[in-house]
Amino acid sequence: GDSVTQMEGPVTLSEEAFLTINCTYTATGYPSLFWYVQYPGEGLQLLLKATKADDKGSNKGFEATYRKETTSFHLEKGSVQVSDSAVYFCALHRGGNTGKLIFGQGTTLQVKP
Amino acid sequence: DAGVIQSPRHEVTEMGQEVTLRCKPISGHDYLFWYRQTMMRGLELLIYFNNNVPIDDSGMPEDRFSAKMPNASFSTLKIQPSEPRDSAVYFCASSPPDREYEQYFGPGTRLTVT
Repeated sequence: GDSVTQMEGPVTLSEEAFLTINCTYTATGYPSLFWYVQYPGEGLQLLLKATKADDKGSNKGFEATYRKETTSFHLEKGSVQVSDSAVYFCALHRGGNTGKLIFGQGTTLQVKP
Repeated sequence: DAGVIQSPRHEVTEMGQEVTLRCKPISGHDYLFWYRQTMMRGLELLIYFNNNVPIDDSGMPEDRFSAKMPNASFSTLKIQPSEPRDSAVYFCASSPPDREYEQYFGPGTRLTVT
């Protein structure tokens, strides 16, 4: 079945460091890919998306490129801030008539001043 | 615009009691999802509805859990009887027509069963 695998956390970085959170997926067909973010005490919110191969999603300085050849969708940011501390979830949507998102297990990011 | 509204925000109950969690989705959204989040199991999809009809309830843990959506603006998740292992944060999310991947989450209900 479809699945999403993320790098294990927590990831601890100093402010202004470069961030990469790895995400790989297994799916039939051509899924759409997403990153959601969960700030402390809140629900998840959509951060960025990519709907086809080679698409780059971007938002708030975060980027991720849909790589079909490596089945990956790694999240990157050039300079993290303390306010980026959160849990990041990679997810896929198979499309069609299913409403389900398949989420990864989440990666906790802690940014220290 | 109001987001997804959940109530109560916190619930503490004793084992064996009935618990009802409530959700009001964003107006105009036609998908509604119930999730459970714990440290041990992460984020789990329990059930989701499309146009008030349950589509997939394969994530509902057992018969003690039930969910209803009597109309487009209200849904409930009921646990009867509750058990300590049900302690978790329960999220409701909704999404707009043709963008079911764009889920808007509520703030969650933190349930503690003692």
